[in-house]
Amino acid sequence: AQSVTQPDIHITVSEGASLELRCNYSYGATPYLFWYVQSPGQGLQLLLKYFSGDTLVQGIKGFEAEFKRSQSSFNLRKPSVHWSDAAEYFCALNPTSGTYKYIFGTGTRLKVLA
Amino acid sequence: ETGVTQSPTHLIKTRGQQVTLRCSSQSGHNTVSWYQQALGQGPQFIFQYYREEENGRGNFPPRFSGLQFPNYSSELNVNALELDDSALYLCASSPPQGQGTDTQYFGPGTRLTVL
Repeated sequence: AQSVTQPDIHITVSEGASLELRCNYSYGATPYLFWYVQSPGQGLQLLLKYFSGDTLVQGIKGFEAEFKRSQSSFNLRKPSVHWSDAAEYFCALNPTSGTYKYIFGTGTRLKVLA
Repeated sequence: ETGVTQSPTHLIKTRGQQVTLRCSSQSGHNTVSWYQQALGQGPQFIFQYYREEENGRGNFPPRFSGLQFPNYSSELNVNALELDDSALYLCASSPPQGQGTDTQYFGPGTRLTVL
């Protein structure tokens, strides 16, 4: 079955520290993968996406993610977290090109300490 | 370029009532998808509309229905509301296929509370 797992429900980091949010997927082929961020009471903003090619993708707000086929992972990273990064982060999979029927993980809530 | 907009922002209904949520897609986008996001959960795919036809449906009962209009805006209708329908309803639009992207762009959502 196709699925997305985000193992960490909550993560707390200090401002200026590095960040890694984990995402594992289950899918028979190479999926389209996305990271979205959701601030409280808001919709989802696209951070970055992976379709094919270079396995290290750059996104907005200084985020990057690395696709590792052998580990079925697509972890999100940021070298130095800012207080404004506090939000909920969702990893998503589009199992079929062009259909947009995304499968989301349950999200990781990030708290940033001043 | 105007992004995806949704109305209303918040809505309170009682069990058994019916509700209509509205979505205006981003300019140039012809596919609209609807998601339900319960508190503390990730969004769950409800259905998708492409050129005014339903083009895929998730695991939701028939009392969840939709429409897409010629201008690609969309409505989500929910009949016989249940307490568990309380959630944030997200609309997402996508550009025509073949434009080099399989990406959805989300609106801010409508928060539905069923009492």
